[in-house]
Amino acid sequence: DQQVKQNSPSLSVQEGRISILNCDYTNSMFDYFLWYKKYPAEGPTFLISISSIKDKNEDGRFTVFLNKSAKHLSLHIVPSQPGDSAVYFCAASSESSGDKLTFGTGTRLAVRP
Amino acid sequence: EPEVTQTPSHQVTQMGQEVILRCVPISNHLYFYWYRQILGQKVEFLVSFYNNEISEKSEIFDDQFSVERPDGSNFTLKIRSTKLEDSAMYFCASHGGGEKLFFGSGTQLSVL
Repeated sequence: DQQVKQNSPSLSVQEGRISILNCDYTNSMFDYFLWYKKYPAEGPTFLISISSIKDKNEDGRFTVFLNKSAKHLSLHIVPSQPGDSAVYFCAASSESSGDKLTFGTGTRLAVRP
Repeated sequence: EPEVTQTPSHQVTQMGQEVILRCVPISNHLYFYWYRQILGQKVEFLVSFYNNEISEKSEIFDDQFSVERPDGSNFTLKIRSTKLEDSAMYFCASHGGGEKLFFGSGTQLSVL
């Protein structure tokens, strides 16, 4: 039961351009969404989050957009840097599920110099 | 920056053996978790722990699994009789009350 889906397993972007990572969810009870970044041999690292009462949250080069009606969120990275190359996980939680995070399968981003 | 520490980084065991994965969460955090990631698959929730008891567990977390906070700093995951399908990267995580989880670097468990 894939409640959180990341349909693109990989993405390749030129340095300096925009990276857009997408995430879809099916559970309408989700009310909080997070993006985590993961390097090889390391644990996931929190990147940015958004509450369902917002449609956009920005932190430096990272912006997350939420479209509740479409049950879709996206992470924009601009400008992309080679150090951004990692696996990006979308995650969601709901008040009813307590503090459990449901993760997507991840998108591997490669930023070409 | 404070971090979640996990030991060992790699654990190889024979099927049927017991393993204990160890974690030291961030010191002032109160909520503790175990997640795992089977190779090529998504990160999956196993269990959450608060106030010295399990607050939620997934279907994966069956009777073969247990968690313990034996002292004020360690948080352990025990698998009593490992199966081949338990092979995965196991992540410990903690938070202090917000939504932002801090993850450890993981323990790669290989069951032979």
